[in-house]
Amino acid sequence: NAGVTQTPKFQVLKTGQSMTLQCAQDMNHEYMSWYRQDPGMGLRLIHYSVGAGITDQGEVPNGYNVSRSTTEDFPLRLLSAAPSQTSVYFCASSFHGAEDTQYFGPGTRLTVL
Amino acid sequence: GESVGLHLPTLSVQEGDNSIINCAYSNSASDYFIWYKQESGKGPQFIIDIRSNMDKRQGQRVTVLLNKTVKHLSLQIAATQPGDSAVYFCAENSSNQFYFGTGTSLTVIP
Repeated sequence: NAGVTQTPKFQVLKTGQSMTLQCAQDMNHEYMSWYRQDPGMGLRLIHYSVGAGITDQGEVPNGYNVSRSTTEDFPLRLLSAAPSQTSVYFCASSFHGAEDTQYFGPGTRLTVL
Repeated sequence: GESVGLHLPTLSVQEGDNSIINCAYSNSASDYFIWYKQESGKGPQFIIDIRSNMDKRQGQRVTVLLNKTVKHLSLQIAATQPGDSAVYFCAENSSNQFYFGTGTSLTVIP
């Protein structure tokens, strides 16, 4: 198994641009989530999904959209990038929801100029 | 939102000594807790977890203690090795969401 994969590893955007961060897992996990990690603030939950077709907001959802059309994929869309969205983004998944061990991807480092 | 905090942002220990990393949480309804290790440039890596119906769980060289009375979680690492140098996060689960602490940076001195 490849586990949780994320692309790209690095991305630089200009303010106002849009882009999609990709996340995929091959473990047949039901639960997938997106976090952002900023210095001194730990990881904060952006959006999560408990299964295909179901998404919900986390702690810091503004400026981001998600969809879950398949079990494997959970893309994160930045609609109009802002410098405040400069961060490292991690995708995670678990088999049986948040009551189960979450496995993290390697992260995407995003810089918005 | 939830408040998950760590008592010490940095910790330095001698190689071979035991390490203790502490974490406080605020939601008494949280029922599942995880400790993660994060090395520079990598995603968090699962170390050990514990559910609220337990007060202690042991793994290989690691032990997690949960004190629900004072809402405190700790991670004990036995015989700390240079490869243990990393940032350690606690996370609590509440209402299908995980809340992470800010992390403790552990440095192992050879």
